[in-house]
Amino acid sequence: AQSVSQHNHHVILSEAASLELGCNYSYGGTVNLFWYVQYPGQHLQLLLKYFSGDPLVKGIKGFEAEFIKSKFSFNLRKPSVQWSDTAEYFCAVDAGNNRKLIWGLGTSLAVNP
Amino acid sequence: GAGVSQSPSNKVTEKGKDVELRCDPISGHTALYWYRQSLGQGLEFLIYFQGNSAPDKSGLPSDRFSAERTGGSVSTLTIQRTQQEDSAVYLCASSSPTGGAGTQYFGPGTRLLVL
Repeated sequence: AQSVSQHNHHVILSEAASLELGCNYSYGGTVNLFWYVQYPGQHLQLLLKYFSGDPLVKGIKGFEAEFIKSKFSFNLRKPSVQWSDTAEYFCAVDAGNNRKLIWGLGTSLAVNP
Repeated sequence: GAGVSQSPSNKVTEKGKDVELRCDPISGHTALYWYRQSLGQGLEFLIYFQGNSAPDKSGLPSDRFSAERTGGSVSTLTIQRTQQEDSAVYLCASSSPTGGAGTQYFGPGTRLLVL
């Protein structure tokens, strides 16, 4: 069965630290990849997505993610986090059927000021 | 324009009662999704509507759960004979025909507590 794994369940960082959240998926075909974010008390919202082309995609608020097909990975990165990045981050994969997403369990990020 | 709206925002019910949760998608969005988010868990897919096609009900956890979408717009998720394990946040999302499945816009959710 198709699945998405987020390796870090809880991450605690200090401001200005660099961030990398891991995401791996299991599917051998064409995929569309997404990172969603849920700030405290807010809706889930799209952070960035990869459909095709340049495997390094840039999203809002300085986030980026790199699709590495050979590793089935789509890790999220940010060079310098801010307190306002405290949120829950979800990786999701549209595994070729373009209908519904398969979600990771999420990573809770806490950034200390 | 308006985003996805859901009502009620919170619902407390007694075990065994039926509940209805409502979702108003973004106007023009043909796809509508229901998810369940339990404490410490990811999003659990429940059901997916796309236009006039038969819905994908593969994620509904039991026959106590059902959903309908009237006129290709508003959707109602019904849980019959609620159980304590049904307590969760129920999220609705919609997407446009051109946005692909992934660009889903989420509502604020309905927080359901079954006592």
